[in-house]
Amino acid sequence: QVQLVQSGGEVKKPGASVKVSCKTSGYMFNTYDITWLRQAPGQGLEWMGWISIYKGNTNYAKRLQGRITMTTDTSTSTAYMELRSLTSDDTAVYYCARDSGPYGSGRGRFDYWGQGTLVTVSS
Amino acid sequence: DIQMTQSPSSLSASVGDRVTITCQASQDISDSLNWYQQKPGKAPKLLIYDASKLEIGVPSRFSGSGSGTDFSFTISGLQPEDIATYYCQQYDNVPFTFGPGTKVHVK
Repeated sequence: QVQLVQSGGEVKKPGASVKVSCKTSGYMFNTYDITWLRQAPGQGLEWMGWISIYKGNTNYAKRLQGRITMTTDTSTSTAYMELRSLTSDDTAVYYCARDSGPYGSGRGRFDYWGQGTLVTVSS
Repeated sequence: DIQMTQSPSSLSASVGDRVTITCQASQDISDSLNWYQQKPGKAPKLLIYDASKLEIGVPSRFSGSGSGTDFSFTISGLQPEDIATYYCQQYDNVPFTFGPGTKVHVK
């Protein structure tokens, strides 16, 4: 069955970087895009961007450009999201999610999600 | 960016009630709308896509309708396990954006 398993929670100081992993299984990793989203405590959901593994490109939210990098390791079917220059506004649960169709056909519909990774930014 | 609004922000209903949530987009998004259910401490779950199509495995008491800028989501016969926050999300334009959520309580 399809599974996305994320790395554990992190506590970071302002100005630091965090890298969250998302290990996938149960489907052909190369054919489905991975999207990253986040949810600040008690708040709604924010789309951060996607990585298209078969195309080899990314699309990041404008407000995060310059601070965010999404990568993959196809040998382990794992996606990564790195966010730099952290501030307290980045405190949130970070989710990876699979687009619901292969080769971009399910763009924007997220059918399987990781369990979430809490990133806390505090001095 | 496309702004998504939802109403109400919260509601209280009895088991068996019909519950309806509305979602409005700030511009025409055709039928590029999803509905998700999120329970506390859990990841969201896709219920409805393309405004009205039921995701595989989702009970038929959940339904969606609408196109353009105005959408609705209905639970026909609220069950105790439906207690959650429900979000609409547009995927017509990047950045994909979510509504603020509707929290559903049981009376």
